[in-house]
Amino acid sequence: DSGVTQTPKHLITATGQRVTLRCSPRSGDLSVYWYQQSLDQGLQFLIQYYNGEERAKGNILERFSAQQFPDLHSELNLSSLELGDSALYFCASSRGGYSEAFFGQGTRLTVV
Amino acid sequence: QKEVEQDPGPLSVPEGAIVSLNCTYSNSAFQYFMWYRQYSRKGPELLMYTYSSGNKEDGRFTAQVDKSSKYISLFIRDSQPSDSATYLCAMSGTASKLTFGTGTRLQVTL
Repeated sequence: DSGVTQTPKHLITATGQRVTLRCSPRSGDLSVYWYQQSLDQGLQFLIQYYNGEERAKGNILERFSAQQFPDLHSELNLSSLELGDSALYFCASSRGGYSEAFFGQGTRLTVV
Repeated sequence: QKEVEQDPGPLSVPEGAIVSLNCTYSNSAFQYFMWYRQYSRKGPELLMYTYSSGNKEDGRFTAQVDKSSKYISLFIRDSQPSDSATYLCAMSGTASKLTFGTGTRLQVTL
């Protein structure tokens, strides 16, 4: 158990809908990363937050947004969902920007 | 050119073999290097974390970093069927964003 908690584990929704994925980082970790992994693809970096502030941005679509709250948990919002958004979404956390990151077990999103 | 290159495999070895996994990178600002193991549809698990150049050993795993060649390696001794997974290298620099390789799929056969 990495200490990073992601909910829900599975999500099935229809095209055009909006969903929110939640991540609770390890105790004491200030940095949260979001990654997308499509079937048989590598990990694609979406966005990173550090202590509530956006730190780095990857290839995140405009339909996607994220935030980190004062208690350091983070949410990833996906809207106007398309079939191609079906993927595993992982959250990772680290103490700071340069320390090792630990991953949650992911949320499996299926858009039908 | 991708910042991090990793041979996707698959790499198939017999049980007990020494496995060598490698990544090359182009960004000279990378200073922190990690190896993760990912079982199918599970979250990546951190195996090794190293800073700058040198070697680090942990049980059957050894990580090597050669910054002059922009090349990192993970060696697995006495490989076991339970080592069958995808191995991902990751690295970061002052930007603090982790950059991953695409992963090498390893199969250890009986």
